[in-house]
Amino acid sequence: EAQVTQNPRYLITVTGKKLTVTCSQNMNHEYMSWYRQDPGLGLRQIYYSMNVEVTDKGDVPEGYKVSRKEKRNFPLILESPSPNQTSLYFCASSWGQYTDTQYFGPGTRLTVL
Amino acid sequence: GNSVTQMEGPVTLSEEAFLTINCTYTATGYPSLFWYVQYPGEGLQLLLKATKADDKGSNKGFEATYRKETTSFHLEKGSVQVSDSAVYFCALKGGSGGSNYKLTFGKGTLLTVNP
Repeated sequence: EAQVTQNPRYLITVTGKKLTVTCSQNMNHEYMSWYRQDPGLGLRQIYYSMNVEVTDKGDVPEGYKVSRKEKRNFPLILESPSPNQTSLYFCASSWGQYTDTQYFGPGTRLTVL
Repeated sequence: GNSVTQMEGPVTLSEEAFLTINCTYTATGYPSLFWYVQYPGEGLQLLLKATKADDKGSNKGFEATYRKETTSFHLEKGSVQVSDSAVYFCALKGGSGGSNYKLTFGKGTLLTVNP
């Protein structure tokens, strides 16, 4: 089954404790992206990747890092989480940056205390 | 830059009622337009799309027409069901001044359909 998976689905952590949210897709997509969803703000892009070893900032990259060492994986790293990073995070992928349809993962709900 | 404005919810309807969720956009050129749906506890799914002016996207009884003259892409369904209860997002990508690297989303509209 074609899908985008994220882990963990739920995470409660404390300020300053480094964490990684994993994202994996099994569709051989070139393009991957991370979004955060906040009430009243919709979804905003954090980072995106056009292919292996090619990443760039989205609209709200501060406090986040990403890497793309393999085509299928695109982890989101929070080196020193803060409470304002409490949010619902979505990973998405598509065949290429010009491809219209993006496939979304189920989401990771992160709470930073 | 690009932006999307959609009607604020929540919207509550009875089963079989007519649904309209308004969406207008700001962008130059010819962006692609989308409606995504998010069911409770799930990620977003593409509902329908239109890539050029006057195109009509349709899926699962939902329709939206790309109106460049009014910069709108309103979502409609003639008879909603309880299973349509979800959050609906209008989005765009591309255009002359926009990026093909991301979707720009509206804030979402929560639809609740009562039996």
